[in-house]
Amino acid sequence: DAKTTQPTSMDCAEGRAANLPCNHSTISGNEYVYWYRQIHSQGPQYIIHGLKNNETNEMASLIITEDRKSSTLILPHATLRDTAVYYCIVRGANFGNEKLTFGTGTRLTIIP
Amino acid sequence: ETGVTQSPTHLIKTRGQQVTLRCSSQSGHNTVSWYQQALGQGPQFIFQYYREEENGRGNFPPRFSGLQFPNYSSELNVNALELDDSALYLCASSLGLGSETQYFGPGTRLLVL
Repeated sequence: DAKTTQPTSMDCAEGRAANLPCNHSTISGNEYVYWYRQIHSQGPQYIIHGLKNNETNEMASLIITEDRKSSTLILPHATLRDTAVYYCIVRGANFGNEKLTFGTGTRLTIIP
Repeated sequence: ETGVTQSPTHLIKTRGQQVTLRCSSQSGHNTVSWYQQALGQGPQFIFQYYREEENGRGNFPPRFSGLQFPNYSSELNVNALELDDSALYLCASSLGLGSETQYFGPGTRLLVL
């Protein structure tokens, strides 16, 4: 699986959009970009994933660049409950690529 | 729909003991993956079970073993516990293999003294 690079930490004001970047320059054509978050001492929570096109769900939007070498997770109206560690993961679609390889993620702090 | 559940929530063991952790997968999911998360680190893949067979293993010694039952629930067994085994153990279930999304349980926190 391709490696990802994320900033160690970020702050965002409550009510503003939080934009979390991720670099995955070695991503290959059949690899998905997944985002999970982990609130202190809880299990990781799935947020969103995508292959090529931008994706949106009730939690967030995922913007993937045309060359697929980077992506941005957008939380449109951040609340205090969005304070967590956010993990960007690149994962193959084929059998034999079932594991998720977590890095150290981005610690997002929402400021009141 | 019931999510992924794990038991116990917390556990304290001493070095050299054995421990069994349990996971019930989300309804309809036939695949269970186990991860270990040391303090301050991201989760590390231990192994995965699909339809009662091991389907992939991470860089963990053989004293980490598992089982999956016909109802797709799973156990993680760790023998000869070491101090470094202290961690949060996470179970994730998914519907099949490949790129299916994995959904995590709340974890079991193990402390080895």
